Amino acid sequence: RKEVEQDPGPFNVPEGATVAFNCTYSNSASQSFFWYRQDCRKEPKLLMSVYSSGNEDGRFTAQLNRASQYISLLIRDSKLSDSATYLCVVLERSNFGNEKLTFGTGTRLTIIP
Amino acid sequence: ETGVTQTPRHLVMGMTNKKSLKCEQHLGHNAMYWYKQSAKKPLELMFVYSLEERVENNSVPSRFSPECPNSSHLFLHLHTLQPEDSALYLCASSQASGGHTGELFFGEGSRLTVL
Repeated sequence: RKEVEQDPGPFNVPEGATVAFNCTYSNSASQSFFWYRQDCRKEPKLLMSVYSSGNEDGRFTAQLNRASQYISLLIRDSKLSDSATYLCVVLERSNFGNEKLTFGTGTRLTIIP
Repeated sequence: ETGVTQTPRHLVMGMTNKKSLKCEQHLGHNAMYWYKQSAKKPLELMFVYSLEERVENNSVPSRFSPECPNSSHLFLHLHTLQPEDSALYLCASSQASGGHTGELFFGEGSRLTVL
């Protein structure tokens, strides 16, 4: 089983629609959770952290379900500029005793005019 | 403009060549990372340096050799690579003290092609 699993997509969504992605993680001891965004031929950038109580940043809402070990990202009123790959990221303790980030393969989103 | 710069952006090399990738961060961070990104695979952590000491080596073949001369610079020396090593190599930095905040600052990557 993959450590962090995402539907690779692609998701092709009309402008203005609402879209949601899920991500599951295998390590129940994972500590923190994040969504990163990666534009085509660019580097990944932190989009938002995911808090236990759920959190919102403008049109973006992130939620965490520790019992089921999944994380979600909801994008409302999608814009053309939202087209990107969204990476689910989990912070856990590595075998070396350090904290490390584990990335999912990403979900590709294309917003259609 | 990114606070983490990588050179070269593109590199084509033969299997017998020796080359190096360079990364420089201007953010005052004290941890630096090398990641490998291949098509349809998640980012793979290769090496971590914290306070200029290597703290993680994720079973990376010895044909990849990292070097961290100071907290602002990170190198990845490449020697006798294989075609399957062709990928995007991403450097990242973070502030390691006080625990990991989850935010990595990535460079734009060096796209490597091994012939």
